Amino acid sequence: GAVVSQHPSRVICKSGTSVKIECRSLDFQATTMFWYRQFPKQSLMLMATSNEGSKATYEQGVEKDKFLINHASLTLSTLTVTSAHPEDSSFYICSARTGTNTEAFFGQGTRLTVV
Amino acid sequence: QKEVEQNSGPLSVPEGAIASLNCTYSDRGSQSFFWYRQYSGKSPELIMSIYSNGDKEDGRFTAQLNKASQYVSLLIRDSQPSDSATYLCAVRSDYKLSFGAGTTVTVRA
Repeated sequence: GAVVSQHPSRVICKSGTSVKIECRSLDFQATTMFWYRQFPKQSLMLMATSNEGSKATYEQGVEKDKFLINHASLTLSTLTVTSAHPEDSSFYICSARTGTNTEAFFGQGTRLTVV
Repeated sequence: QKEVEQNSGPLSVPEGAIASLNCTYSDRGSQSFFWYRQYSGKSPELIMSIYSNGDKEDGRFTAQLNKASQYVSLLIRDSQPSDSATYLCAVRSDYKLSFGAGTTVTVRA
């Protein structure tokens, strides 16, 4: 399958600071990237969908001003958690696909801990 | 009603046995169905995809789809300790993938 690289794998930050997470498709061009959040023992919850060159579409209940998504190229999307708080501590996972009806491949995930 | 429902488990099976996982979904218009395996602390990895009614086999894994009943299942034959993980059912409607909560499988050696 295609390779999606997510960085960093773990990050600890202080409350009130911002954290940027990168998601790269290494061997394909990703027209669409998805950002998920997963709390312990829960399933993946879609936060937003981003298409290259356009604004992200956020799911209901996800604050777009807090979770900034940029998909500036066909191989890179970033998620910035602004003014992070302890309740933002979670496992953030990106996925990418090449077209509408193709499979999505997941990055390794980022464990964010806000202290 | 949740979009994708799975029994949370845990499902415990002895090594060599068959593990049977079930999933139901609410959107009748869904067209694509996936099973992912997720080890603790890791991101999901795709193990099966199925798009049409019937069975699809890949090695020790068999996925079954019944669109009329809005039901998807996964069978793991000859279960191995390395199969111990959480299995997520995912259903695609429009452009979005919706995930079930996952079934935790433990294979006893």
